[in-house]
Amino acid sequence: AQRVTQPEKLLSVFKGAPVELKCNYSYSGSPELFWYVQYSRQRLQLLLRHISRESIKGFTADLNKGETSFHLKKPFAQEEDSAMYYCALKTSYDKVIFGPGTSLSVIP
Amino acid sequence: KAGVTQTPRYLIKTRGQQVTLSCSPISGHRSVSWYQQTPGQGLQFLFEYFSETQRNKGNFPGRFSGRQFSNSRSEMNVSTLELGDSALYLCASSLTGDVEPQHFGDGTRLSIL
Repeated sequence: AQRVTQPEKLLSVFKGAPVELKCNYSYSGSPELFWYVQYSRQRLQLLLRHISRESIKGFTADLNKGETSFHLKKPFAQEEDSAMYYCALKTSYDKVIFGPGTSLSVIP
Repeated sequence: KAGVTQTPRYLIKTRGQQVTLSCSPISGHRSVSWYQQTPGQGLQFLFEYFSETQRNKGNFPGRFSGRQFSNSRSEMNVSTLELGDSALYLCASSLTGDVEPQHFGDGTRLSIL
């Protein structure tokens, strides 16, 4: 079955602390994974994708096929990082399966 | 470039009615996908259209249908509305639906009374 799990519904960290948002997936094919972010009162937007192997706003994510994980990391959290984060798995033709989301709160 | 535009932003309907939601993709984008977002179920894939053809469909009843026009604009229709259909309906577009990421609209918030 195709599935994306994000074990933490809510994650609170202090400003300047490292942050890791967990994502695990279940998919028999070759996965294409994304992280989307939704800031307060803004539309859902792409943060990064595993195929690009880039760092956006200080965030990075590495695909670990052995552990079927795609955790999102940032070494030093900022207040503006507070948002809802969704891990997503694309299977075919824009059929994207989203995880339940993790609400990140960065405490000043 | 203008982003994905969804209309209307808000809708209130009663049970048993039907509703049509509209989505205008980013210019040049030919793939349009629809999602339902609820607090309980999160974001769930409804269907995807490319060149006026439905290529992919999620696990929703037949009351949910859609179509895409030759200019790539898409509409989603829900018939015989139920209370559980209250949700934010999001539309997303991409160039071909293949390797590019999707761009989302602000959504239409549908409330069923």
